[in-house]
Amino acid sequence: GENVEQHPSTLSVQEGDSAVIKCTYSDSASNYFPWYKQELGKGPQLIIDIRSNVGEKKDQRIAVTLNKTAKHFSLHITETQPEDSAVYFCAATQTGANNLFFGTGTRLTVIP
Amino acid sequence: GAVVSQHPSRVICKSGTSVKIECRSLDFQATTMFWYRQFPKKSLMLMATSNEGSKATYEQGVEKDKFLINHASLTLSTLTVTSAHPEDSSFYICSARPGQGNQPQHFGDGTRLSIL
Repeated sequence: GENVEQHPSTLSVQEGDSAVIKCTYSDSASNYFPWYKQELGKGPQLIIDIRSNVGEKKDQRIAVTLNKTAKHFSLHITETQPEDSAVYFCAATQTGANNLFFGTGTRLTVIP
Repeated sequence: GAVVSQHPSRVICKSGTSVKIECRSLDFQATTMFWYRQFPKKSLMLMATSNEGSKATYEQGVEKDKFLINHASLTLSTLTVTSAHPEDSSFYICSARPGQGNQPQHFGDGTRLSIL
């Protein structure tokens, strides 16, 4: 089965700096990679996703990159703000599959 | 769009009680819904996949008689924790996927279950 690893487990940055979270996956058949943001006491919210037919996707301050050969993908947040503080999860799956394999999460703290 | 509502948000009850959690897709139809369990500071663990009009598919190690799932319509799935005990205390989260195939899962806000 798929195994998704995520690093770092915690990350603290100064407001305005960039934050990068990295994930690796093991199953070369995985072709869909969503990122979720989970605030305290809430469910995960989809913030961005990428499919294996593209190498990079950007949405305002958030970008995701994918390296299929190396089987890793990363989340980049620029100009961080205190409201970006949350736990971020990466995930991997195959299109149409039910199982969404989650990473272990990264607790991001943005220091004002 | 793609809003998933979960109710209740928090339940505190005595040991031996059965607790029902509802998951609704508000603005889309979901043939498939998913139930997860999350322990403190941990990732989400898939418990079961709920299929409208058919039996749920449970992950290995999840007791189907303990966690009853019903998906009677395209917008509602329920999870009933039967005869709950303190070890069942956890954060339960549902998700739903619009349509088929390559649509992302959208999550509810979770239910914190505390069994005394």
